[in-house]
Amino acid sequence: KQEVTQIPAALSVPEGENLVLNCSFTDSAIYNLQWFRQDPGKGLTSLLLIQSSQREQTSGRLNASLDKSSGRSTLYIAASQPGDSATYLCAAGGWGGSYIPTFGRGTSLIVHP
Amino acid sequence: DADVTQTPRNRITKTGKRIMLECSQTKGHDRMYWYRQDPGLGLQLIYYSFDVKDINKGEISDGYSVSRQAQAKFSLSLESAIPNQTALYFCATSDPTTGGPPDTQYFGPGTRLTVL
Repeated sequence: KQEVTQIPAALSVPEGENLVLNCSFTDSAIYNLQWFRQDPGKGLTSLLLIQSSQREQTSGRLNASLDKSSGRSTLYIAASQPGDSATYLCAAGGWGGSYIPTFGRGTSLIVHP
Repeated sequence: DADVTQTPRNRITKTGKRIMLECSQTKGHDRMYWYRQDPGLGLQLIYYSFDVKDINKGEISDGYSVSRQAQAKFSLSLESAIPNQTALYFCATSDPTTGGPPDTQYFGPGTRLTVL
């Protein structure tokens, strides 16, 4: 069974710092790895999706990398802003017949001015 | 308008009551999912449906049932609600790429359910 772990569980940083959020998964046979953002009490918004054949994806100040062999993905946030404060979840999509993704518990990020 | 909508957004009910949560989508996706989220935990899959005639149990389906009334509608029912079903419930959709696995999941805003 796929297990997804996110470290750290919580992070508080001053504005302007560059951040790295980590996601690890136990089964490297995945078809994609997705990063989501969740604001308090709200739904999840997809940030980046990396297909299994890709190594990274970028969107604005966000960069996500994928290393299947080591079972790791990282989300890099450049020049963090207070508006980046949210919970970030990763989800690993497995190759089982149903392609259902497995979610981590998330990293709760606070960026203070 | 939102692509994936959920009703109600908030619901407080009592133990033993039957509750239905509804999800509608305008994305034209065949695949729909129901998840539950508890504080500090990841999303747990309750049920998923790949088309109107295909319904599958997820990892925590006990105490829940679903109905796929149409491609655009997927309802979750709690036949007899209990307090440990208090949680945030999300509906999601996805669209499989041609000949391949599903792509991005799109989530609704969630329903906050409290069972007293």
